[in-house]
Amino acid sequence: DIQMTQSPSSLSASIGDRVTITCRASQSISSYLNWYQQKPGKAPKVLIYAASTLQSGVPSRFSGSGSGTDFTFIISSLQPEDFATYYCQQSYITPYTFGQGTKVEIK
Amino acid sequence: EVQLVESGGNLVQPGGSLRLSCAASGFTFSSYWMSWVRQAPGKGLEWVANMKPDGSEKYYVDSVKGRMTISRDNAKSSLYLQMNSLRAEDTAVYYCTRHSFSRFGPSHDYWGQGTLVTVSS
Repeated sequence: DIQMTQSPSSLSASIGDRVTITCRASQSISSYLNWYQQKPGKAPKVLIYAASTLQSGVPSRFSGSGSGTDFTFIISSLQPEDFATYYCQQSYITPYTFGQGTKVEIK
Repeated sequence: EVQLVESGGNLVQPGGSLRLSCAASGFTFSSYWMSWVRQAPGKGLEWVANMKPDGSEKYYVDSVKGRMTISRDNAKSSLYLQMNSLRAEDTAVYYCTRHSFSRFGPSHDYWGQGTLVTVSS
C-alpha cells in the first residue's frame, strides 16, 4: 500500500497567517492527490483534487501543488472558519490511503 | 441537491455482524462509483471499499477483505456494507461517499453524515 505522510501533525496559527502543509507519498503518484478539510463532528469536504485543482465553490485562498511524491497545501490567509483538520489522500491505486491529518489550531 | 444518508450503525459484540445502508438522492446513482470511508474515534480517515456503478468491480482495504462486502441496488439508489466477524478495531464512524473522477483519479466529492459502529462486549 502507498503510505502518505503529512507534516506537521498540528500547527498553531493566527488569523491572516499563511499556512503550509506538506504531504509525501511512499512512491510516485503523479498528480493523483486530493486534499480534504474536516471540522469536528462533521464529514470531510474535498477542497482540492488532482493535486492542484480547486473544487467548485472552494475559496481561492486554498491552493495545492506538487507531483510525484511531494505535495504542498497552502492557505494564503487563514480565516476563522479554516480551523480544522486537513487530510491528503492518494487516488493513484486502491486502497486510497489518507495522510494522518494536520490539525490547524488557533494561536 | 445531492444527499447521502447512512443508517444501520449500532453496538455489536465482537464476532457479530451488521449491515450498513446508504440512501442516495439528488443525482443519478447508477452512474457513479461509490465508497465507504471510516474514522475510528479521535483518529484519521481510512478508505474501506469502493464499487463500480454496474457492480462489476469492487475493491477493499486488506484489513476488511473476507469480512466486509460492499454492494449496491441501483434501482433503490442504495449502497450497502455487510460487515461480518467484527472486531474492536472496526469501531468507527462509517461514511458513504460518492466518487468524482478527474484525469487524475477519483475524489470523494459528497459524503454522508456518517453512522457509528461500536464493536464491544
